[in-house]
Formats: sequence, structure tokens, C-alpha cells
Amino acid sequence: NAGVTQTPKFQVLKTGQSMTLQCAQDMNHNSMYWYRQDPGMGLRLIYYSASEGTTDKGEVPNGYNVSRLNKREFSLRLESAAPSQTSVYFCASRRTGTGYGYTFGSGTRLTVV
Amino acid sequence: SQQGEEDPQALSIQEGENATMNCSYKTSINNLQWYRQNSGRGLVHLILIRSNEREKHSGRLRVTLDTSKKSSSLLITASRAADTASYFCAPSQGGSEKLVFGKGTKLTVNP
Repeated sequence: NAGVTQTPKFQVLKTGQSMTLQCAQDMNHNSMYWYRQDPGMGLRLIYYSASEGTTDKGEVPNGYNVSRLNKREFSLRLESAAPSQTSVYFCASRRTGTGYGYTFGSGTRLTVV
Repeated sequence: SQQGEEDPQALSIQEGENATMNCSYKTSINNLQWYRQNSGRGLVHLILIRSNEREKHSGRLRVTLDTSKKSSSLLITASRAADTASYFCAPSQGGSEKLVFGKGTKLTVNP
């Protein structure tokens, strides 16, 4: 059981380049989330998808777009990367209903130079 | 969604000792969750306590919840070096449950 799989694990981008972070879960979860984690800042929610076909902004959505491609996959796109987007990005998923915890992926470490 | 505030920010203990960390929140909740993050890894869900529960156990973990004080505590008994990690609490009001994470408590267990 793979859980939540994120690709790539590491990426270096130049300012202005674009890229898509991929996330897939095999647990049949309805809800999926993208967070970023910066040193000393905890995790901040970028976007989430409560169910297939819906997406909503989180706390820090500027500079990002998302696509809920199907129930399994939720991708995060940086259209024009900036050094401020250097961070570790985590995808998570959760089963629908109250009282279930999140399952997190292992993260993508992104550096924008 | 609301953020929990973990306290202390850092805790250093010897192997075999107990570790206690606390979490405070501001508004009523449906449940509160605790997560662990080992260095450089994703968060791992440890335990969830519902608002109508006062205490819950899972192996060496004991979580308490005091809704009147809007606080929770996580006790790790007989700590091991492998417990070295950051611990986060996440209060949840249920429903869409967009969890908000604070800065966590960084626990170091010295061999």
C-alpha cells in the first residue's frame, strides 16, 4: 500500500521557470491538500480539494495553481517560480467524514535560484 | 479552521524519561489530532481525540483533552531516541476539516 506518492523528491528551478508537482494517493480518499513548510513557519495550506472536481484556496495560494485530475491525483503548478517559493511541499489526503487523520506524502524539496 | 499552539517549542530529555507537550486552541472543536514529523519527512498521524473524550491511549502515547481550558497534552512514556521528532497538534471543527498546523514542539531524546 503506497499511500501518498509525491514526485519529484527534489527539484532546482531558475527564477521564472514553471513546473508541476505531482501527487497521487491509492487509498480512495476524497479530500486532498497541498502544504508548504518553511523553516520556523510550520505548515501552511496552499490549496485543497474536498472532492473530485472541486478545488479551493488555502492560506497562501498566490503564485500557484492546482488541478484535481481525478480522484487519485492532485497536482500543484508553479507558473513562474520565484525564490520565495523555495520550500518543502507536502501533499496529503483524507477520507471523507469527521474523525479521520491526514496521510502525508514524503515531500518535494524545491529550490528556486 | 484554527491553529493549535504547541508548548514548549523545544524539549530535550534523556532516553527512558517521559516527554510531555501541550497544545492550546481558541474556539470549540470536534476533535484534536496529533502528528509527528521526523526530520525531512512527511507528517505521520499519531492519534485523534474527540471533543467528548477526556483521555486516549495508543501504545506509549497518552493524550488528554480539556475542552473547558481549550487545551490538550501529549505524553510519551519511556522515550526512545527514535521518538526524536517534531510534534504538531491540529484542532479540528469537523466538516471540511482544513487542518492548520502550528510550529510544533521539537523533541530531542538523548541516548
